[in-house]
Amino acid sequence: DVKVTQSSRYLVKRTGEKVFLECVQDMDHENMFWYRQDPGLGLRLIYFSYDVKMKEKGDIPEGYSVSREKKERFSLILESASTNQTSMYLCASTLLGGEQYFGPGTRLTVT
Amino acid sequence: AQSVTQLDSQVPVFEEAPVELRCNYSSSVSVYLFWYVQYPNQGLQLLLKYLSGSTLVKSINGFEAEFNKSQTSFHLRKPSVHISDTAEYFCAVSPSGGSNYKLTFGKGTLLTVNP
Repeated sequence: DVKVTQSSRYLVKRTGEKVFLECVQDMDHENMFWYRQDPGLGLRLIYFSYDVKMKEKGDIPEGYSVSREKKERFSLILESASTNQTSMYLCASTLLGGEQYFGPGTRLTVT
Repeated sequence: AQSVTQLDSQVPVFEEAPVELRCNYSSSVSVYLFWYVQYPNQGLQLLLKYLSGSTLVKSINGFEAEFNKSQTSFHLRKPSVHISDTAEYFCAVSPSGGSNYKLTFGKGTLLTVNP
């Protein structure tokens, strides 16, 4: 079974802090994705990566950056957290056929 | 570019009633279609997918969806729902070609099954 894990289920940070969200997959997938999920807005793509050290902006990249130094790990970075980044963050990975495998999510609260 | 419209944000039904969750998409290229389910406090799980072949696809827990190319729809149906089907359901589309496998999601439909 494919497993995608995220470093935290719940996280509380203060405005202005630098925040790291980690995602690890164990199935050697090339493609990895970060989404944020907000009520009534569905899932919106922040960034994705199609190979080590390769990344592309998604639909809402502002305020975020990413890092992929190893194939299995994809990190989302909030350089200076703001209250409007309070959200559920979901990581996913895929190999073929568009089917994405999701982690359990990190619920981030910025106060 | 693709877009997905889920026509109902909330669908309340009684247990053992039939249900249909509607999904329409827009795309200038051929697509793959997916339904994902999200139970409370969990990530998304794939429910079923259409890649090619038969336009009617089924899941192991009784859901089915039919790809209708002329109407650009991929509605999800179940003839008799259970309390445990209460969840949020997301329709998604990706281009069938290309190499980045990006998914575009609808905004979700919250299915609530009442006793």
